[in-house]
Order: sequence, then structure tokens, then C-alpha cells
Amino acid sequence: DAMVIQNPRYQVTQFGKPVTLSCSQTLNHNVMYWYQQKSSQAPKLLFHYYDKDFNNEADTPDNFQSRRPNTSFCFLDIRSPGLGDAAMYLCATSRDDTTDTQYFGPGTRLTVL
Amino acid sequence: AQSVTQLDSQVPVFEEAPVELRCNYSSSVSVYLFWYVQYPNQGLQLLLKYLSGSTLVKGINGFEAEFNKSQTSFHLRKPSVHISDTAEYFCAVRANNAGNMLTFGGGTRLMVKP
Repeated sequence: DAMVIQNPRYQVTQFGKPVTLSCSQTLNHNVMYWYQQKSSQAPKLLFHYYDKDFNNEADTPDNFQSRRPNTSFCFLDIRSPGLGDAAMYLCATSRDDTTDTQYFGPGTRLTVL
Repeated sequence: AQSVTQLDSQVPVFEEAPVELRCNYSSSVSVYLFWYVQYPNQGLQLLLKYLSGSTLVKGINGFEAEFNKSQTSFHLRKPSVHISDTAEYFCAVRANNAGNMLTFGGGTRLMVKP
């Protein structure tokens, strides 16, 4: 029944060591989103894909990159994690980028040591 | 641009009591409105949404919300809460000319006590 799957659920990395978070979906949705949610804060959109078209939010740091090799998978790469990047990372999908509801995965909690 | 204000960061309430979580928004264009719930260490789950039509929207888990355009509010209510309703609740808006981009409020932590 899982529709938006995120692996791993918990990820620990070291300061400056690249890390990749994974998201997959069984909904065949066109759009996939990555959000960063710091403790006790609202989710903040980092970027989204419409099919293979990448859309970066203006204030997303260059340290964050994304890849979408196919419809089902989307990856978040953090090139050099800092202590301030510790957060919950949420993946979401929607059928289109105009009217459809966003469906969220369970999130990956990233700890940076 | 849109903004969302959730007036209460925490709402403690006893089990079986009614609850209202407040949400106000600001936008220069018409919007669609959403409430999401987030249980500890989990992602966001859609509770309900207002796109058009009746201003009283019913969602899952016995929650409902009422869209009030004149007051730019979309308050969430439940007549009788359970311990299992303890979670973080996020109100979000999407402008009708902003694609599918959501703007979230800061969240309200609902704490249901026995």
C-alpha cells in the first residue's frame, strides 16, 4: 500500500561527508518535491521536478542537489553536510503541478555529527 | 505572495473535549486551503482540503474545517479528541496562480491529555 517511500528513515552522516537520500513512488505522479523541515518548523520547499524538468527554489543552497533518473525515483544529494543541515527531509508527489494534492512520504531524519 | 499564520504553537486539551486549531492566511489572489497532520517522526498526511464549493469541509479522523473568506481563516475543529490525535497540525495555502506550490504555517502542536 505504500505510495511514497523514503529510504532510509534515519540517516547519520559526518560533517562534510556527502549523503544521498532516496524517494520512490508507486503513484506514477509527474511531480516530485523535496522539503526540508527543521525541528519545530514548517516544511520548506527545496526544489521539485515536473517529469525531468528541475525547478530550484531561489533560496535553496547550492549544497543541495537532486536527481530524478525515472518517474519513480528521486534523490536528494547533500554535497557537504553541515550541522545546520540536520533536519527531517520530506519527499512528496502530485499528479500535476497546478491543482493536484501533494502526497508525502514518511520522511528521512538526517543527523550530522 | 501568500503567508499563513497559525496563532497557537501549542494547544493542550483533555481527551473527549472539543478543539479548534486556528489558521489565518494572507493572499492577494484566491487560494486553496489544506490541513495536514504529522505524527512524531512521520511525514505529513492530508486531513482535508478546500478547493471550492461548500465552505464547511469534512476530513478524516472526524476533523472538519470552515473556510471564511471575509476573515481569511480556515480553522480546524474536532468535537471530541482522542489521545491518538496528539500530533503536529499544519495549515497550508496554495494560490490559484502559483502552480502547486504550498505555503505552510508554523504548525500547532495538539497535546491531548487523559
